Amino acid sequence: ILNVEQSPQSLHVQEGDSTNFTCSFPSSNFYALHWYRWETAKSPEALFVMTLNGDEKKKGRISATLNTKEGYSYLYIKGSQPEDSATYLCAYLTTDSWGKFQFGAGTQVVVTP
Amino acid sequence: DTEVTQTPKHLVMGMTNKKSLKCEQHMGHRAMYWYKQKAKKPPELMFVYSYEKLSINESVPSRFSPECPNSSLLNLHLHALQPEDSALYLCASSQDPGPGVDGYTFGSGTRLTVV
Repeated sequence: ILNVEQSPQSLHVQEGDSTNFTCSFPSSNFYALHWYRWETAKSPEALFVMTLNGDEKKKGRISATLNTKEGYSYLYIKGSQPEDSATYLCAYLTTDSWGKFQFGAGTQVVVTP
Repeated sequence: DTEVTQTPKHLVMGMTNKKSLKCEQHMGHRAMYWYKQKAKKPPELMFVYSYEKLSINESVPSRFSPECPNSSLLNLHLHALQPEDSALYLCASSQDPGPGVDGYTFGSGTRLTVV
């Protein structure tokens, strides 16, 4: 059984501050890691897909890094804004898990003005 | 159209009721998925349809019955549910079977309450 863990479960950030959080996963048979951003009452929205050790991806103020050897990915939000408030889900895929993402439970981010 | 549409958004049903959840996509995606999510937990895979055929059933109780009438539509029929089945039910689709590097397009979910 694969175990994907996200920490912290939730965090509160002041507007303008930067923050980061973690997705940890088993390092064997790695294929891809996806990050999704999920606002309340909306659909989860794809942020990044990461496939190579050392990958760094960026979209505006949000960026992510990947370390497949040690089994973790960091997501960073620079200069947090209230519209960044959402749950950030990571989903892990191995070479032998066709059709079966392993999701983390998400990190809920609340940005207060 | 780049969306997955789920209806209804909210559903309250009694333990003796029969109801259905509906999921629709018009992106030509060839795989569709049902997930169940309880609060503060990861989404759990229930069913996968690939080219309109059921390819994965994650040992889901028979009170949940999936149906894929055509390539754009996925239903989840509910009958004799228990209060512990109350959850958010998410539908997703992908271009090809298995999320791969393209990932999923998700619906916004149906919040189900069983009373």
